Amino acid sequence: DQQVKQNSPSLSVQEGRISILNCDYTNSMFDYFLWYKKYPAEGPTFLISISSIKDKNEDGRFTVFLNKSAKHLSLHIVPSQPGDSAVYFCAAPTFSGNTPLVFGKGTRLSVIA
Amino acid sequence: GAGVSQSPSNKVTEKGKDVELRCDPISGHTALYWYRQRLGQGLEFLIYFQGNSAPDKSGLPSDRFSAERTGESVSTLTIQRTQQEDSAVYLCASSSSGGASTDTQYFGPGTRLTVL
Repeated sequence: DQQVKQNSPSLSVQEGRISILNCDYTNSMFDYFLWYKKYPAEGPTFLISISSIKDKNEDGRFTVFLNKSAKHLSLHIVPSQPGDSAVYFCAAPTFSGNTPLVFGKGTRLSVIA
Repeated sequence: GAGVSQSPSNKVTEKGKDVELRCDPISGHTALYWYRQRLGQGLEFLIYFQGNSAPDKSGLPSDRFSAERTGESVSTLTIQRTQQEDSAVYLCASSSSGGASTDTQYFGPGTRLTVL
């Protein structure tokens, strides 16, 4: 049973436009969420996170929105740049205080110049 | 400073052989994690070390998989009698404490294992 779901395997966006990556989760006990970015042949790198006590967290061009009632979060990138082309993973810690992460399958973002 | 390093970067082996994968975490990080990513899948948790506590092995898919960690440094993931379904990228991550869900995990570049 997949606890974190990214239903869009890929997304193409034009440079300068907004990229919106979506993530759904099933476990209502999750209280913290992270987005990781992965380039080919590299490990994932942490991008941005959000605690369940917030509904929005912003860091430069990246904003994560959390809708707890819908068990849904999204990552907005604006404006999108070609260097943002990567696979984006949504993740949540398995248990509070125990931090192995549960990951979605990822969404491959392609930003077209 | 130096990040998480893993070796080898690529490993090709024959079915039935044993393999060892190595991870050097960030110095001072007490928590170390192993994940794997099979083709088209997300990262799958395998095992977690936190300081001197007993490791959390709940993610290991079979008894052919084992891992050790020397103190708070190097870890080795061993897969015995490899099978083709073991083919994946094996990723190691470390974090500074592991005691709170907000500790960021830093990942190594991974080892791509191919079992023929």
